Amino acid sequence: KQEVTQIPAALSVPEGENLVLNCSFTDSAIYNLQWFRQDPGKGLTSLLLIQSSQREQTSGRLNASLDKSSGRSTLYIAASQPGDSATYLCAEGGLEYGNKLVFGAGTILRVKS
Amino acid sequence: NAGVTQTPKFQVLKTGQSMTLQCAQDMNHEYMSWYRQDPGMGLRLIHYSVGAGITDQGEVPNGYNVSRSTTEDFPLRLLSAAPSQTSVYFCASSQGGNGYTFGSGTRLTVV
Repeated sequence: KQEVTQIPAALSVPEGENLVLNCSFTDSAIYNLQWFRQDPGKGLTSLLLIQSSQREQTSGRLNASLDKSSGRSTLYIAASQPGDSATYLCAEGGLEYGNKLVFGAGTILRVKS
Repeated sequence: NAGVTQTPKFQVLKTGQSMTLQCAQDMNHEYMSWYRQDPGMGLRLIHYSVGAGITDQGEVPNGYNVSRSTTEDFPLRLLSAAPSQTSVYFCASSQGGNGYTFGSGTRLTVV
């Protein structure tokens, strides 16, 4: 059974700090990996999508990496801001029928001003 | 605006009632799916579809039915609501290997 684990479960940092969120997965046949942001009581906003053939993707202050051999992905946030406070979810898309997503439980991030 | 639209946003049901959660996308995506989100458990797949007329079960399908008569619509039916189905429900769509786009969710409470 595919499993996705996110560490840490919660993180509190001062404004301006660079931080890394971790995601590990068990499916070696990963098709893609997607990072989402979720604000309290809201839906999921896609941040970055990494295809299995890629090593990393960047958008603004965000950089996501993918290492299939070790089953790990990281989301790097540079110069964190209070507006970055949210829950960050990673999800693995498998090669099997339907490209179904398997989600981690998320990391709750709080950036203190 | 292009995207995934879910209705209603909030719903309270009594145990045993049935209802349909609506989901529509206007991006001509092949794949659509329903997830439920419960505290501390992340999102779990209920049902999914790879095209009109084709549906299959996900991780937690019991108590739910789906159909996909058109590319655009993918409704989720609760047959006889139970308190265990209190959750936030998300619909999502995707085209091939591209990332998924999620709707804003339906908060369902079963009393």
